[in-house]
Amino acid sequence: QPVLTQSSSASASLGSSVKLTCTLSSGHSTYIIAWHQQQPGKAPRYLMKLEGSGSYNKGSGVPDRFSGSISGADRYLTISNLQFEDEADYYCETWDSNVWVFGGGTKLTVL
Amino acid sequence: QLQLQESGPGLVKPSETLSLTCTVSGGSISSRSYYWGWIRQSPGKGLEWIGSMFYSVNTYYNPSLKSRVTISVDTSKNHFSLKLTSLTAADTAVYYCARHSSRATDSWGQGTLVTVSS
Repeated sequence: QPVLTQSSSASASLGSSVKLTCTLSSGHSTYIIAWHQQQPGKAPRYLMKLEGSGSYNKGSGVPDRFSGSISGADRYLTISNLQFEDEADYYCETWDSNVWVFGGGTKLTVL
Repeated sequence: QLQLQESGPGLVKPSETLSLTCTVSGGSISSRSYYWGWIRQSPGKGLEWIGSMFYSVNTYYNPSLKSRVTISVDTSKNHFSLKLTSLTAADTAVYYCARHSSRATDSWGQGTLVTVSS
């Protein structure tokens, strides 16, 4: 099964940009992933599906400030013009042979 | 608009069985376009996939939980259920039901906290 690796924490200043990384394990570098946001005390929210080509499809209502990209086995979530409401945990997700896997999550702090 | 709502007991005793239900509104659980699943989150921890089902027939489980998990569906009520047996304190978590679209989890319930304690 694929394994997803995320940094445990990240921080960036209000109004700046941040790029969060999710790395696919060896042998799974072409996999599609999804990104989710979990604000404190809330359920996760689907942000986007990021294809192996680098194209992405965002969920309903997800601001234009959120975008996705890829490089090799790395999958990125970029948030531009950071807002305080973007302070949250961010999880990546993938799937293989009807088994779903989540990364450990990155806690984003907006300074 | 799709909505998923979990329901079930908030407190369960060790060794007992947890039963949760997810009621789906704004969409049919019988659709061949989606999978439906359960995901949990222990306090202060990350997300763990429990299991999912497709078209009311096929079920798939996390290998680490497979011996204790059953997911079933009631299409007449448009809801699906989770049973988790032989509970321990390690099963204390917020349990989410969710929909998978083209495999990606694209909708989440609000979650329900289940505490395993005597």
